[in-house]
Amino acid sequence: NAGVTQTPKFQVLKTGQSMTLQCAQDMNHEYMSWYRQDPGMGLRLIHYSVGAGITDQGEVPNGYNVSRSTTEDFPLRLLSAAPSQTSVYFCASSDFPGGGTEAFFGQGTRLTVV
Amino acid sequence: GEDVEQSLFLSVREGDSSVINCTYTDSSSTYLYWYKQEPGAGLQLLTYIFSNMDMKQDQRLTVLLNKKDKHLSLRIADTQTGDSAIYFCAESRGILTGGGNKLTFGTGTQLKVEL
Repeated sequence: NAGVTQTPKFQVLKTGQSMTLQCAQDMNHEYMSWYRQDPGMGLRLIHYSVGAGITDQGEVPNGYNVSRSTTEDFPLRLLSAAPSQTSVYFCASSDFPGGGTEAFFGQGTRLTVV
Repeated sequence: GEDVEQSLFLSVREGDSSVINCTYTDSSSTYLYWYKQEPGAGLQLLTYIFSNMDMKQDQRLTVLLNKKDKHLSLRIADTQTGDSAIYFCAESRGILTGGGNKLTFGTGTQLKVEL
């Protein structure tokens, strides 16, 4: 039972490069989300999806794109990496409509932009 | 918007009780959660409480909710070195947001357990 799988675990990018952080879950969860974790700031929601084909912006969406073509996958794209995007990124999934249900988190992707 | 605040650090001795506090501003919060993050790992749900409850106990964990003051606490009895981690408070409105289970997290409290 894999749960939520994120790849890669570590990544170094040069400013201006683009990349995609992968997230996959095998629990048939409708709700998936991406957070970034920065020291002293907790986790901030980037984008979320309440089902295949439906995405919406969270608190800090600028510089990131998402898509949800299947229930299982929710990739996060950095269009043109900036040093301010150096962070640890977490993908999470949970049942929808949610509320009182557990959000399962991936192990995180540590991204450094130089 | 929603805001969730926690103190950044807490240090306790092994065997003592730990109390981690959290305040939130959203009076529409329906569910309040405590997550644990160990070094290099993702977040793991410890427990949650529905807003119409004022206490929930689960083995060594006790959650207290003061809805009037918008204050949530997590008490860990007989704290062990394995409890050293970052503890995040989070809230959600559940389905009422129309956005599913959208969580707003606090900054996290680093718990250090000393021998």
